[in-house]
Amino acid sequence: AQTVTQSQPEMSVQEAETVTLSCTYDTSESNYYLFWYKQPPSRQMILVIRQEAYKQQNATENRFSVNFQKAAKSFSLKISDSQLGDTAMYFCAFMTPNQAGTALIFGKGTTLSVSS
Amino acid sequence: KAGVTQTPRYLIKTRGQQVTLSCSPISGHRSVSWYQQTPGQGLQFLFEYFSETQRNKGNFPGRFSGRQFSNSRSEMNVSTLELGDSALYLCASSLTDRSKGYGYTFGSGTRLTVV
Repeated sequence: AQTVTQSQPEMSVQEAETVTLSCTYDTSESNYYLFWYKQPPSRQMILVIRQEAYKQQNATENRFSVNFQKAAKSFSLKISDSQLGDTAMYFCAFMTPNQAGTALIFGKGTTLSVSS
Repeated sequence: KAGVTQTPRYLIKTRGQQVTLSCSPISGHRSVSWYQQTPGQGLQFLFEYFSETQRNKGNFPGRFSGRQFSNSRSEMNVSTLELGDSALYLCASSLTDRSKGYGYTFGSGTRLTVV
């Protein structure tokens, strides 16, 4: 069975600083996708960044980037120049498409607090 | 374009009752998935519907069911409610297309409280 582990329940950072959220996963599949979602207090899940396992290049979206280490099954999220609006719960998720369909498997989440 | 719409936003039900939640996906998205979010168990996959057929199901009892209509709108039903069913229920619509990266878009959820 696939699992996703986020080992940091809570993190805090000052505005303008850089923070890295950790995520490891376990799977025997070779074709899969990894995602980071952000859930602010408004509770809407917002896609931050996605990575396809067959792509070696790390995904980047503005201030957000990932460090995808396929052999180590690690998928960390780096947030540069942190802003107050980044305060939220962050979830790492895994998905492998197959004939049975698709389903996201989530980690337990990391609560990120950005302070001024 | 419009996002994923879930109704209602909040619900309070009594144990033993049943409840129906609704999800309207983004136009053109044929896959709709449902997730349960609780503080203890986190986010758990309930089921996925694609072209009116359930094609994937999580590990939940038969009291949880759903369906999808021809316009891709989906409903989720929970019968014989238990206190433990209190949760945020999230719906996600997606493009099941590798070239589009399997983009999932979530709604704002329905907060169900069972008393």
